[in-house]
Amino acid sequence: DSGVTQTPKHLITATGQRVTLRCSPRSGDLSVYWYQQSLDQGLQFLIQYYNGEERAKGNILERFSAQQFPDLHSELNLSSLELGDSALYFCASSVFEARYGYTFGSGTRLTVV
Amino acid sequence: GENVEQHPSTLSVQEGDSAVIKCTYSDSASNYFPWYKQELGKGPQLIIDIRSNVGEKKDQRIAVTLNKTAKHFSLHITETQPEDSAVYFCATPTGGGNKLTFGTGTQLKVEL
Repeated sequence: DSGVTQTPKHLITATGQRVTLRCSPRSGDLSVYWYQQSLDQGLQFLIQYYNGEERAKGNILERFSAQQFPDLHSELNLSSLELGDSALYFCASSVFEARYGYTFGSGTRLTVV
Repeated sequence: GENVEQHPSTLSVQEGDSAVIKCTYSDSASNYFPWYKQELGKGPQLIIDIRSNVGEKKDQRIAVTLNKTAKHFSLHITETQPEDSAVYFCATPTGGGNKLTFGTGTQLKVEL
């Protein structure tokens, strides 16, 4: 157990639907990062939050949004889902900046049918 | 720039042999170089990291070397075992250090 909790582990939904992925960071970590990993692809950075505020944004689609709540858990919202959104979505947390190291959760596998 | 190039993409070795994976980065301000191991169906796990003030770091059978002048760092695994089979990712902070940018990954297969 890495200390970073992601739910649900698996999600199957239809095209056009909306889903919410949840992440609880490791105790004491203030930063949360979201990554997308498609089949045979690397880890693509989506977005970072630090203590409730957005700090960095990657190539995140406009259909995707995220937020970090006062208790530091984060949610990634994916809407108007397309087949190509099927992927593993990972959350990671760190104390502050990336140079302090990341701890990853076990991921949410999203399948859009 | 935010590029991190990783080679090779696949690596097959015999049990007991050594494996070396190399990454090249473009941001000369990078100062932290972690390596992650991802087993099938799991999230990436940090296995070793090095900071820019050190040239080499070892932890049992794994080591990381850094050449800041050439902007590359490498992962060395000695006496490989079947349980070392996984995908390995290098990374470095980019975007002012706010996030890690990862290499494209190396699928390591250790054959008996």
